[in-house]
Parts: sequence; structure tokens; C-alpha cells
Amino acid sequence: SQELEQSPQSLIVQEGKNLTINCTSSKTLYGLYWYKQKYGEGLIFLMMLQKGGEEKSHEKITAKLDEKKQQSSLHITASQPSHAGIYLCGADSNTGNQFYFGTGTSLTVIP
Amino acid sequence: EAGVAQSPRYKIIEKRQSVAFWCNPISGHATLYWYQQILGQGPKLLIQFQNNGVVDDSQLPKDRFSAERLKGVDSTLKIQPAKLEDSAVYLCASSPLTLFGEQFFGPGTRLTVL
Repeated sequence: SQELEQSPQSLIVQEGKNLTINCTSSKTLYGLYWYKQKYGEGLIFLMMLQKGGEEKSHEKITAKLDEKKQQSSLHITASQPSHAGIYLCGADSNTGNQFYFGTGTSLTVIP
Repeated sequence: EAGVAQSPRYKIIEKRQSVAFWCNPISGHATLYWYQQILGQGPKLLIQFQNNGVVDDSQLPKDRFSAERLKGVDSTLKIQPAKLEDSAVYLCASSPLTLFGEQFFGPGTRLTVL
């Protein structure tokens, strides 16, 4: 099975600060996804990366995929309290039948 | 557009009892997923349906868990009998695609087994 390790496990930042969350895979990445989960709620899709070197942005959130390093990073610029939650990376298996989530990063933004 | 609906939202049962969760995916979504999320961990995929057929159930503990998706729409996940370690949030998701892509998640059912 594929393992996705996220770092850091938790993050507390002051509003307005930038931050980065990393996701490292134990196997080759065929598709890397980022989701956000508010406490006690379901997951919300943020973005999907498929090609090495690909970079996508949505509002103040940017994600990059480094295929060679089997790694992805999620960067939030000028964090806001609305960014608080748990960020999860996810990946397809090469067979397309399985989906794995990372361990999650809990983000707290202090106003 | 209505999102993925799940019920109940919360359930407390004693060990060895049975429990069932219901999921109604977004209309027209062919693929439906059930995940188990234990506190402090990422969700774990239990079973994937495409229409009313099972694509993958390799992570489903089949001695106690069962799932069905009759008529390719609603789905039910059952645990019989429940164990303490089944305490978790059970998430249902759906997708219009046959491969993963963007998954749309329901709010989940929080199960506590005492």
C-alpha cells in the first residue's frame, strides 16, 4: 500500500503569516490531491496535481508537485482564520482502484 | 445542487451490536466511496462502487462489515457485530468520474462503540 507522510502534524500561526505543508509519498505519485476538513465535517476538495513540476493556485493557496522527490507542498499566503482546519493530501494507486490519504496537518490561525 | 447526504450524523452503540449507515450521493454520480476515519488519522477507503458494482473492497473487514448499493444510487454500510475499534467517523463520497478525480464528501456519521 502507499503511505503519505505529512509534515508538520500541526501548525499554529498568526493571521497574515505564510505557511507550508508538505506531503511525501512512499511510492510513485500518479495523482496528488489536496483536501481540507473543517472539524466535525466532511472533506472539501482543493486541487489536484498530475504532472511533475505542476503548480496550481486557488485564492491564496498554492500547491506544487515534485514527482522526482515523490513530494507535494501546499503553501498558504497571508493566512486568515478561515484557513483553519485539517489539510489532507491524497493519492491514487497505480491500479486506480485504491485511494490513500495522508496523516493530516492541523492548522490553527490566531487572529 | 444538493450535496452528499448521510444519516444518522451520530450513533452510540454497545459492542457486539449492529449498526447501519446510509448515504445518498449527488444525483448522477456513478462512483460512490465509503471511508473510515479514526480520530487523528486520515480517512481509509473501505469500498468503492461504480454504479451498483463493487470496484474494490480490499480494505473492508468482510467478517463484520458489509456494504451494498442497490440500483446504483443510495448505499448502506453495515457493521455486525461492532467492536470497540470501530469507533470512527464513516464518510461517504461520490464522484461523477470512473477514476478518482474530485470526490464530494458527505458530513459523515460519527460512531461510538462502548
